[in-house]
Amino acid sequence: QKEVEQDPGPLSVPEGAIVSLNCTYSNSAFQYFMWYRQYSRKGPELLMYTYSSGNKEDGRFTAQVDKSSKYISLFIRDSQPSDSATYLCAMSEGTALIFGKGTTLSVSS
Amino acid sequence: GAVVSQHPSWVICKSGTSVKIECRSLDFQATTMFWYRQFPKQSLMLMATSNEGSKATYEQGVEKDKFLINHASLTLSTLTVTSAHPEDSSFYICSARDPRTGQGINEQFFGPGTRLTVL
Repeated sequence: QKEVEQDPGPLSVPEGAIVSLNCTYSNSAFQYFMWYRQYSRKGPELLMYTYSSGNKEDGRFTAQVDKSSKYISLFIRDSQPSDSATYLCAMSEGTALIFGKGTTLSVSS
Repeated sequence: GAVVSQHPSWVICKSGTSVKIECRSLDFQATTMFWYRQFPKQSLMLMATSNEGSKATYEQGVEKDKFLINHASLTLSTLTVTSAHPEDSSFYICSARDPRTGQGINEQFFGPGTRLTVL
């Protein structure tokens, strides 16, 4: 079993839809959880950063961490075509970041 | 957020030659930088951790003699792919930790990446 599992998609939704992106993990020592957005042929951009369990909201984005289930989610409300990108979850117990494979999202207008 | 740049953004080279990729933190000093490799439709795989003024720490399976890392200053780390082969063709991305953010011990800011094609 890989340390971080993420469904690669692709996921296609219409503009305005609510998008749910998820990752599961196996290492219970992970404490730091991040979501990155990566446009084609570009470096990842940090979207959300959460420490331990709980929810965090930033505009249209909400990150959830459930450490008991080893499950993290990113919700995007009122999705826009500009949200079309690959979303990578990443987590860490210390210095090294472990990434999921990324989910490719396409939002159509 | 902090800004990290990479140069070049795209490079094509012949098999057997060496290629140097630069990673710079533009508005902060980075004591630690990271080098990743990403194959198409795959995740980012950490290659090595670069610490200013000391030797890089390589991940298991990464040849340190092939991927030379130098972190000579607090704003610059370089990755040199020596004797490049077609299987080294990939997207190489660096990141740096900004010690000013204070949001956690591992918030990393990524460069735009360098696409290497070895013919």
